[in-house]
Amino acid sequence: AQTVTQSQPEMSVQEAETVTLSCTYDTSESNYYLFWYKQPPSRQMILVIRQEAYKQQNATENRFSVNFQKAAKSFSLKISDSQLGDTAMYFCAFMKNFGNEKLTFGTGTRLTIIP
Amino acid sequence: GAVVSQHPSRVICKSGTSVKIECRSLDFQATTMFWYRQFPKQSLMLMATSNEGSKATYEQGVEKDKFLINHASLTLSTLTVTSAHPEDSSFYICSAFTGFGGPNTEAFFGQGTRLTVV
Repeated sequence: AQTVTQSQPEMSVQEAETVTLSCTYDTSESNYYLFWYKQPPSRQMILVIRQEAYKQQNATENRFSVNFQKAAKSFSLKISDSQLGDTAMYFCAFMKNFGNEKLTFGTGTRLTIIP
Repeated sequence: GAVVSQHPSRVICKSGTSVKIECRSLDFQATTMFWYRQFPKQSLMLMATSNEGSKATYEQGVEKDKFLINHASLTLSTLTVTSAHPEDSSFYICSAFTGFGGPNTEAFFGQGTRLTVV
């Protein structure tokens, strides 16, 4: 079974600064997907970024980027130029690469952007 | 992008009654949908996998007779909480995938349903 660990329950950062959220996982699979999801106060889950394990290049989406270290089973999220709208719960998630597979979520990191 | 619609967003029911929550994929077909439960300030815990035209697969510890899942069409899955009790109060979220394991694989989530049993 896969496990996902987020060791930072809460973080806060000043607006416009950069913040990094940590995630580690454990799996015996060789092909899989990793995700970061954002859950704002509305509680709607929103995909932030996706990484396919077979890709060595780290995924980026505008201000969001990941540091994917497959050997270390680490998948951190970097948010640059943080904005007030980034305030939310962030969940790291794992999925086996077969499609229509369940997501295994980490415990989440509550991120607060301070004006 | 794809849309998953969940209804109702909030429901209050009396203890002992049943509540049905609907999850619809609006612009794509979903042979599989997933039902999660989220307690306050906690993560999403998978309850069951809903398969169109067949029985749902429940996670260990989830009572299948209490949480009835029906996936009668490629766009609709329902979760019925039977004989609800206050401990069933929670936030329930459904999701469905598009992309089927390809490079565009993505899970879309419903808006969630806050169930309060009084």
